[in-house]
Amino acid sequence: DAGITQSPRYKITETGRQVTLMCHQTWSHSYMFWYRQDLGHGLRLIYYSAAADITDKGEVPDGYVVSRSKTENFPLTLESATRSQTSVYFCASRLGGDTGELFFGEGSRLTVL
Amino acid sequence: GENVEQHPSTLSVQEGDSAVIKCTYSDSASNYFPWYKQELGKRPQLIIDIRSNVGEKKDQRIAVTLNKTAKHFSLHITETQPEDSAVYFCAARGTGANNLFFGTGTRLTVIP
Repeated sequence: DAGITQSPRYKITETGRQVTLMCHQTWSHSYMFWYRQDLGHGLRLIYYSAAADITDKGEVPDGYVVSRSKTENFPLTLESATRSQTSVYFCASRLGGDTGELFFGEGSRLTVL
Repeated sequence: GENVEQHPSTLSVQEGDSAVIKCTYSDSASNYFPWYKQELGKRPQLIIDIRSNVGEKKDQRIAVTLNKTAKHFSLHITETQPEDSAVYFCAARGTGANNLFFGTGTRLTVIP
């Protein structure tokens, strides 16, 4: 049972480059989320998706783009990376309805030089 | 939107002592309050959660209490062990809402 996986786990890029972080889940969970984790800020929601082809902004969406053409995939793209986007990115998923538990991926550490 | 504040940011306790972490939330419509534990270099994992129709919930050495009137909830860990050392996050979510709003985390260190 693979669960929820992210790739790449580590990425170093330069300012202005496009970067895509991948997220794949095998549970057929309806909801998928992207969070960023920064010291002193905890986990902040970037974007989420309630189902395929349905996405919505979270707390800190600027500079990010998402898509969800298939239920199992939820890629996050930084169209023109900035140093302030250096962070650890976590993808998460959960069942639909009022079910609570979020299942997180292993995280992707992104460094923008 | 919801605002969740968490205190303290760091906490050190002797092994065997209790640890308490407190959170407050701003949106009175929030009705789901989970706690996540994140070990160093690992992903956050749910350890316990509580819904607004319950005042307290226990699971072995951990318990969570909720005061809806005051809009605060707390995590209690008794008989702490070195493996309890981690960062703990509280969170809140409202009815019908899709987002979990997280606190800024508490780094708990249990000293053997």
